[in-house]
Amino acid sequence: SQQGEEDPQALSIQEGENATMNCSYKTSINNLQWYRQNSGRGLVHLILIRSNEREKHSGRLRVTLDTSKKSSSLLITASRAADTASYFCATDAFNAGNMLTFGGGTRLMVKP
Amino acid sequence: DAGVIQSPRHEVTEMGQEVTLRCKPISGHNSLFWYRQTMMRGLELLIYFNNNVPIDDSGMPEDRFSAKMPNASFSTLKIQPSEPRDSAVYFCASSSARGETQYFGPGTRLLVL
Repeated sequence: SQQGEEDPQALSIQEGENATMNCSYKTSINNLQWYRQNSGRGLVHLILIRSNEREKHSGRLRVTLDTSKKSSSLLITASRAADTASYFCATDAFNAGNMLTFGGGTRLMVKP
Repeated sequence: DAGVIQSPRHEVTEMGQEVTLRCKPISGHNSLFWYRQTMMRGLELLIYFNNNVPIDDSGMPEDRFSAKMPNASFSTLKIQPSEPRDSAVYFCASSSARGETQYFGPGTRLLVL
């Protein structure tokens, strides 16, 4: 079964609005990462947050991590049409060797 | 850096044929991963290598799939014989350290007729 589960599966917003995506996982982790995938392309790393961190920022991205709830959120502020993509969370679990386990992704559509 | 390089980008073949997908990881990265992505099953890890050694191949669907990494700069994923249900996008990714950022290639879109 997947370690990470994103919610919602799909999200449609207007340009300028904020987009929030959530990720829940099951086991203890070393870090959690968010990736973006544009249609027909490979995944691109956005941000990594370690288990001892609670919040991290990168440009218009804000990621939070709550290890007690085993959940993370990705906030994209002031969204743009170019943010339209699928967003995946991936966890580096304690017992997973070198592997990341990816969730099913959230498909974000930003309407101009 | 050119990033992770995959070839071919697109492959159309007939059922029963052998398919070989190729990957060149980022120089200096010691971990390499093969993933398969479909609409139905999402992104699945097939196998990963650490220092050219296969570590976990539990995701390889059947004996028809095999992967090799003869050196630090090259890996292949082979499907023999191919079947229509193997149609998917196959990604290769590499990373420099355990559990850290993975860098994905552009993928190979495989269609088996």
